[in-house]
Formats: sequence, structure tokens, C-alpha cells
Amino acid sequence: DTGVSQDPRHKITKRGQNVTFRCDPISEHNRLYWYRQTLGQGPEFLTYFQNEAQLEKSRLLSDRFSAERPKGSFSTLEIQRTEQGDSAMYLCASSTRDLKGEKLFFGSGTQLSVL
Amino acid sequence: DAKTTQPPSMDCAEGRAANLPCNHSTISGNEYVYWYRQIHSQGPQYIIHGLKNNETNEMASLIITEDRKSSTLILPHATLRDTAVYYCIVSKGGGADGLTFGKGTHLIIQP
Repeated sequence: DTGVSQDPRHKITKRGQNVTFRCDPISEHNRLYWYRQTLGQGPEFLTYFQNEAQLEKSRLLSDRFSAERPKGSFSTLEIQRTEQGDSAMYLCASSTRDLKGEKLFFGSGTQLSVL
Repeated sequence: DAKTTQPPSMDCAEGRAANLPCNHSTISGNEYVYWYRQIHSQGPQYIIHGLKNNETNEMASLIITEDRKSSTLILPHATLRDTAVYYCIVSKGGGADGLTFGKGTHLIIQP
């Protein structure tokens, strides 16, 4: 399977713990995105990378959240001191772009539950 | 990005064409209309996008009105696997240029 891969699929943690998620994009894609989705809502943009550079961060991304993409390949999203409000699906996407615009390819997400 | 308006839910019989409407009356001249869908427990899936001409691919057709204030996504022969939430998004370029998902239309294909 050459799609976007996310690990783990599910994560249950206690409030105050740190968690880290991993995303492996489609290999030839140089842009990588993180989104968050809560029940009944559409995905919300968190941040994106062009190769290894983090170019934009949403105001939703508090200081407890940090994302990295070393060497412009896989990416990690870490949440420190988790809160119950962090419970959500965290989606990763990578993209291909041509003269007609950009298409995002999403992974299946990591479902986080903070108890 | 301009906002879009979609019905919250729609039903369609299996084998029939599913026509999903979207209003985007404040769209600007350089914004594309994108459609994504999300099947339960999966990430969103790109379907199609267009600027002003009608577009067709292996998944669907996109019909954009001449004034570009509305569009329709057409799934020509809906199957049960097309049951999903469908998002209509207007964006200058797609990802980095802003891809803001609303609540979409929950399309239910009835057997």
C-alpha cells in the first residue's frame, strides 16, 4: 500500500500524559499536513510542512502541540500534558500539486481518547 | 476562503444518480471548487475539483454554473459504498492555500 500511513490507529491516555503520533506520507509528496477532527465536525487545519520546513500553524495549535518533519520524510505530532479536550481524530495528509491546484491524500487517522 | 452551503443530509437509491448541491455565492475569480468525501472511520478522499468548466473523472462529474455561485457533484450510479459525508470547499489552490472543511452533506445510499 503506497498511501499515507498513520500510527497508531487508536491511542488511549490519561490526562497529563504526553503522546506522539507518526505519519508516513506518500513518498514523492513534499507537502505534509496535520488536521484534527472532532465528532460531527469537518477536519480542522493544524499545520503543514513543505519538505522539512513548517510553514504555517493554526491558532488551534497550542504550545502543548509540536510537530516535526526531520529530513522531509515522515512527520510526528506530539501533544504534551494532554487534556480531555484534546480527544479527537488526528489526520495526516500529503499532497501533489499541478497547474490546476493541489490534491490532498489523507491517512486513516489516529483516534485519541484522553481519560 | 469563501464559505459554502450544503444540505446536511440526502438520500439516494442505489443505482440512481446522486446529485449533491453546493452554494458558494461569494466565490472569487481565482478560487476552485473542490469536493472531498469521508467514509466512516476513514480520512477524507479527494473526488474532483474545477475552476469554471465542468469536470469529469472516474469517480464523479462536477457541474459549475456559469456565474460560479453554485455547483453540483454527480455520482452517476450510486452504490452502497458511496454512503459518506461529502464536503464542498472553495479554495485558491487546495492545501496550503486554504482547505477549510465545513460539516458537509451526509449522503445515504438506500438499497
